[in-house]
This record gives sequence, structure tokens and C-alpha cells, in this order.
Amino acid sequence: AQSVTQLGSHVSVSEGALVLLRCNYSSSVPPYLFWYVQYPNQGLQLLLKYTTGATLVKGINGFEAEFKKSETSFHLTKPSAHMSDAAEYFCAVIEGGFKTIFGAGTRLFVKA
Amino acid sequence: EAGVAQSPRYKIIEKRQSVAFWCNPISGHATLYWYQQILGQGPKLLIQFQNNGVVDDSQLPKDRFSAERLKGVDSTLKIQPAKLEDSAVYLCASSLEAYEQYFGPGTRLTVT
Repeated sequence: AQSVTQLGSHVSVSEGALVLLRCNYSSSVPPYLFWYVQYPNQGLQLLLKYTTGATLVKGINGFEAEFKKSETSFHLTKPSAHMSDAAEYFCAVIEGGFKTIFGAGTRLFVKA
Repeated sequence: EAGVAQSPRYKIIEKRQSVAFWCNPISGHATLYWYQQILGQGPKLLIQFQNNGVVDDSQLPKDRFSAERLKGVDSTLKIQPAKLEDSAVYLCASSLEAYEQYFGPGTRLTVT
């Protein structure tokens, strides 16, 4: 069965610092991978996705993620955090079909 | 284009009462999803429709939850009777192509 593990339920960075949110998945076949962001009292918004092709994918708001098959990882990064990045981030996987499995989420805090 | 609409945004009911949520997906989106998001957790898929047919409802508690999608467009999710553990945010999402989902703002349900 597929699963998604997000390491760290809370991550705190200073404004301008590197953002790194970790995601590992388990899958027996090449998965489709996603990062979503959720601001307070709002639904989820797609940040970026990996389906096939280039393993480094760029998303909105300066975020990017790299699919590493050997490490079964899809970590999310942003070179310089902004106050507006404070939100909850969810990694998700679809394995060879149609059902999306979400991780538990990582809440990002950005300190001034 | 208009996004996914949900109503109501907030609902408070007593246990054993009934409640219904409504979702209007993005026009033309064939796939519609209902998720349950408990505080501190990632969204959990309850049911997925393709047009007006059910694709997956394996995690829907069918003894108390029901959902329908009328004419392949709007959808309603009902809980009857509600339990305390049903307190959560109920998210509706839709997609055109497989996999990339667009979420509504959610309905926050509190069961007292």
C-alpha cells in the first residue's frame, strides 16, 4: 500500500532563509507526486507536481521539488523564505491509478 | 474561471443530528472528490465521482455517510446521524485531467 511521510509536523525558518520540507513515499511503481499549500481557512492549492520527465519541477511562488527515485523522496525547497509562505504544506502521491494519498502536513512558520 | 464552491462554510450541530454539504465543481470538470480533514491531519478521501458514477468510496462510512452527484455536476455529502468524531473540515475538489485537483474552501463541521 502506498503511503506518504512528511518529516516534521512544524518547521520554523527566518525570513530570507532556505525552506526545506521533507516528503518520502512508498510505492511499488513510479508515482505521481504533488505538493499542495493550505492557508488558514482555505482549501488546498497546487504548488507543483511530478508526473513524468524532468525530475526537478518548478512550481508557483518560487518553490521547487526534486523527485529522487533511489531515495523515494520528493522534498520541497525555496531558496529564500517570505513571510507570506507561512502556511501548511501537504505532500501527496498517486500510484498507478487515481486515488490520492496525502501526508499529515508540515506547518511552516516564518520569523521576521 | 470560477473556482469550486462549497456551502455552508461553517456548521455546528449536536450529535445524532443530520447535516448536508453542497459542492459545485469547476465547470466541465468530470471528476469530483470529497475529503475529510481532521485537525492536524492531511485530507482523507471519502468518495470520488467520475461524472455521476462512483469511482472509489472505500473509506466512506456508509452506515452514516452518503453522497450523490446530480447529473454529473453538483454534489451533496450527508451525514446521518452525526457523531462527535465527525468534527472536521469537509473539502470538495474537482479535476479535469486526471490527478490535478482544485479545492473549494471547505465546510468546517463541529459536532457537540
